Amino acid sequence: NAGVTQTPKFRVLKTGQSMTLLCAQDMNHEYMYWYRQDPGMGLRLIHYSVGEGTTAKGEVPDGYNVSRLKKQNFLLGLESAAPSQTSVYFCASSGPVRDTEAFFGQGTRLTVV
Amino acid sequence: QKEVEQDPGPLSVPEGAIVSLNCTYSNSAFQYFMWYRQYSRKGPELLMYTYSSGNKEDGRFTAQVDKSSKYISLFIRDSQPSDSATYLCAFNDYKLSFGAGTTVTVRA
Repeated sequence: NAGVTQTPKFRVLKTGQSMTLLCAQDMNHEYMYWYRQDPGMGLRLIHYSVGEGTTAKGEVPDGYNVSRLKKQNFLLGLESAAPSQTSVYFCASSGPVRDTEAFFGQGTRLTVV
Repeated sequence: QKEVEQDPGPLSVPEGAIVSLNCTYSNSAFQYFMWYRQYSRKGPELLMYTYSSGNKEDGRFTAQVDKSSKYISLFIRDSQPSDSATYLCAFNDYKLSFGAGTTVTVRA
């Protein structure tokens, strides 16, 4: 049972490049989340989804887009990367109702130079 | 005002000490209160969960919630070096919101 898997684990981008982070969960969870974690800032919610085909903005959505075409996958896109997007990105999933435990992936370390 | 404020730390305590971690929140819609533990270079993992005011114990860990004051706490008794981690409070209404985290180091 893999749980929540994030791809890739590490990436270095040049300013202006684009990329997509993939999150996959095998627990049939309804809720999925993308967070970024920066020193002293904790986990800040970028976007989230309450079910297949739905997405919503979180606390820091600017510069990111997401898609949830399949229930098990939640994609985070950076269309034009900026150095301010250097961070550790975590995906999480929970369900079937919102008060259940959230499981996290191992994180993606992204550096934008 | 941020929805969730967590005492920033860091905390460094000797082995066997009691660790006290605190968070305040402003959103009255929060109904579920959690503490996550995050080891270095890992994703967070759920440590404690409650939805009512009062205390909940699990081994050496006690979670305390005061809804009237919008205040939650986590106490770690007889702390061990293996408890060294970052602890994040979390709240759930229709999304999962986290505090900034407090890094705890337990010295052997």
